[in-house]
Amino acid sequence: EVQLLESGGGLVQPGGSLRLSCAASGFTFSSYAMNWVRQAPGKGLEWVSAISGTGGSTYYADSVQGRFTISRDNSKSTLYLHLNSLRAEDTAVYYCARNQPLAPMVTTDYWGQGTLVTVSS
Amino acid sequence: IQLTQSPSSLSASVGDRVTITCRASQGIHTYLAWYQQKPGKTPNLLIYGASTLQSGVPSRFSGSGSGTDFTLTITSLQPEDFATYYCQQLNTYLGITFGQGTRLEIK
Repeated sequence: EVQLLESGGGLVQPGGSLRLSCAASGFTFSSYAMNWVRQAPGKGLEWVSAISGTGGSTYYADSVQGRFTISRDNSKSTLYLHLNSLRAEDTAVYYCARNQPLAPMVTTDYWGQGTLVTVSS
Repeated sequence: IQLTQSPSSLSASVGDRVTITCRASQGIHTYLAWYQQKPGKTPNLLIYGASTLQSGVPSRFSGSGSGTDFTLTITSLQPEDFATYYCQQLNTYLGITFGQGTRLEIK
């Protein structure tokens, strides 16, 4: 059974940093690109970042480019998101989600339960 | 690519048929997915490729469309269908785009 379990969220002051983790199990982690998607309280879904299966390619939304860093450790089947220079508008539940080719497209088929990041003084 | 859903919210009764629309700012063939999200829960994939039902999703859900205009239809609404629905498009290099969501409420 595919499982994704996020951790590392919490309360942080503006300008602070945090590292989120997503522990994967039930599939060959290195074979799948992965994403971070966030959802601010009462708002819609916003893609944050993606990383290829090898970790060699990374992609970011404009809103987090230069502040957040996505990475992965395939030996540990774990995805990370390093959040720096945090702002109040980064407050959200952060989900990790797996890419899956489902012809004719690629989409996200499994999501974790999310971890809440609150940026406040 | 931007995705615009309509309506933003919708009230309906159990047993009703409802349709939600998603319009893309440029043609995306049939590269569109639909998700259902209940309060406090993870988004759940319903449909991909515009019209293919994900395994385990009830057949009262259906999707159609190609290019820029897409629809999600739910026939014979059930109590568990009241939720928020999102359309989604994924581009390997540009990331994922979501519609703003359609909240389906009980009338």
